[in-house]
Amino acid sequence: GAGVSQTPSNKVTEKGKYVELRCDPISGHTALYWYRQSLGQGPEFLIYFQGTGAADDSGLPNDRFFAVRPEGSVSTLKIQRTERGDSAVYLCASSLSGQETQYFGPGTRLLVL
Amino acid sequence: AQSVAQPEDQVNVAEGNPLTVKCTYSVSGNPYLFWYVQYPNRGLQFLLKYITGDNLVKGSYGFEAEFNKSQTSFHLKKPSALVSDSALYFCAVILSDAGGYNKLIFGAGTRLAVHP
Repeated sequence: GAGVSQTPSNKVTEKGKYVELRCDPISGHTALYWYRQSLGQGPEFLIYFQGTGAADDSGLPNDRFFAVRPEGSVSTLKIQRTERGDSAVYLCASSLSGQETQYFGPGTRLLVL
Repeated sequence: AQSVAQPEDQVNVAEGNPLTVKCTYSVSGNPYLFWYVQYPNRGLQFLLKYITGDNLVKGSYGFEAEFNKSQTSFHLKKPSALVSDSALYFCAVILSDAGGYNKLIFGAGTRLAVHP
């Protein structure tokens, strides 16, 4: 079956602009996660959704970052007033439930100039 | 605080030789342990996990890992390396009693280079 998909695969933007990153999880997976991977580092947790609600957003670095999952499937990570330090690969993962193995998408590589 | 350490930035192995990629963890409680592999410009691919039971876990592509509670380690192994195994490997941990969901904590990664 289809895996986790993320769009766009690459995004280049200018400092101060707004960006949206999309994640389409595996069908039927109720749990969805966003991670951020900076160069040379392991992924770091940002936010977790169970269904439509954000069950844990403790990893979001500041209030410029926001994510939604309005229908319990597709999720959008939104970044306002982007900064150069936001440049990273943003990974999305989904799992059948909160206790199951997470399967990752290919990521969106964000570059803020 | 929970953490994962991968002490080697890079591991070099000749094709056909056994390989080991090291991982140690620091958590309170019983850990769930994972290995993921990342190929260039691709997402993380799940290799294997330890939840409970047999300390030796077998996974995809001939990889296995051994959970050692006394040494708080979960080293990844393969008896005979292939050039195609060259990639970035991540160890990750969650707590088994973490309130009902998996927030993965990753190590910094180890680059495996298998030479012909």
